[in-house]
Amino acid sequence: DAKTTQPPSMDCAEGRAANLPCNHSTISGNEYVYWYRQIHSQGPQYIIHGLKNNETNEMASLIITEDRKSSTLILPHATLRDTAVYYCIVRLHSGNTPLVFGKGTRLSVIA
Amino acid sequence: ETGVTQSPTHLIKTRGQQVTLRCSSQSGHNTVSWYQQALGQGPQFIFQYYREEENGRGNFPPRFSGLQFPNYSSELNVNALELDDSALYLCASSGPGSGANVLTFGAGSRLTVL
Repeated sequence: DAKTTQPPSMDCAEGRAANLPCNHSTISGNEYVYWYRQIHSQGPQYIIHGLKNNETNEMASLIITEDRKSSTLILPHATLRDTAVYYCIVRLHSGNTPLVFGKGTRLSVIA
Repeated sequence: ETGVTQSPTHLIKTRGQQVTLRCSSQSGHNTVSWYQQALGQGPQFIFQYYREEENGRGNFPPRFSGLQFPNYSSELNVNALELDDSALYLCASSGPGSGANVLTFGAGSRLTVL
């Protein structure tokens, strides 16, 4: 079973920041937080991951609370192309460890 | 660089038949994993292949089997198809070293079992 809890859906106005929350209260010390998204009719796409420090790349920012029990994915300027299901996953940093997906958050970006 | 490609994109089978799905991994990636995604659900891990050996398996019966070839491409075989096998089958590849932690997914093969 997935170790994360996410809201089933969210809306965001185009051009505004989208903030997607994730709870992972049972995360262990050596597990990372990963975010993937799945645009309709495509496979999941990697966005970002982190252990305890905030991370930023060209796609998004990841904010992890100090106790590591929750995190927020931030899309700074959402566009219509960001409409997708976003999955938050906790995972050991090992190539052998599979991704365990929950149902994710369906983000709808509205013009 | 080319991404992960899967074939066929869509197919229809009947109960009891067998199906083979194919996956070409991204250039430079040596590990392939397969996931099943039922409608409205997140993907579920089936198994993973590294160096042509299965090195991890999810909660799927033995009628789900696979192969990895020397060029790192892979096949997923499902025997004795059941109606519940209708799903999107996703292949993902990952690279050596630190690249092993980030999976690149293909667009999937959508299987319908009648």
